[in-house]
Amino acid sequence: DAKTTQPPSMDCAEGRAANLPCNHSTISGNEYVYWYRQIHSQGPQYIIHGLKNNETNEMASLIITEDRKSSTLILPHATLRDTAVYYCIVRVARETSGSRLTFGEGTQLTVNP
Amino acid sequence: KAGVTQTPRYLIKTRGQQVTLSCSPISGHRSVSWYQQTPGQGLQFLFEYFSETQRNKGNFPGRFSGRQFSNSRSEMNVSTLELGDSALYLCASGETDRGYGYTFGSGTRLTVV
Repeated sequence: DAKTTQPPSMDCAEGRAANLPCNHSTISGNEYVYWYRQIHSQGPQYIIHGLKNNETNEMASLIITEDRKSSTLILPHATLRDTAVYYCIVRVARETSGSRLTFGEGTQLTVNP
Repeated sequence: KAGVTQTPRYLIKTRGQQVTLSCSPISGHRSVSWYQQTPGQGLQFLFEYFSETQRNKGNFPGRFSGRQFSNSRSEMNVSTLELGDSALYLCASGETDRGYGYTFGSGTRLTVV
């Protein structure tokens, strides 16, 4: 699975958009980008995933660059409850990969009032 | 529907003992995977079970083992506990095996003294 690079920490004002970058310059053509987050003392929570097209769901938007070497997770209107560690994960989605997820160090997002 | 249930929530054991942790996945989910989270190593994949078969294994010593029952409930066992096994043990369940949509439990906090 490709390695990812994320900034260790970011701050965001409540109500503003939070844009979390992730670099995955060695990504392969069949690897997806996944985002999970972990709020303190809880298990990680799936947010969104994508292959090459931009994706949006009720939680967030995922913007993947055309060359797929980087992506940005966007929380459109951050709230205090969005304070968490955000993990960007790249892996192949095939049956033999199973559910294995390789977590890096992630980005600690702090939403300030 | 009910989430992923992990029991017990907290556990204190002595070095050399063994421990068994339990995970009940979301109804209908056949994939159960286990992770260890420590401050120093972060979130690390232990193993995954799918339909009672271990499909994937992380880089952990043989003291760490697991199994899955026909109802998809899973247990992990750690024998001959060491101080370094103190960690948050997380279980995740999924109905697919493509890396997305996995639901994590709140974990079992194991302290080895």
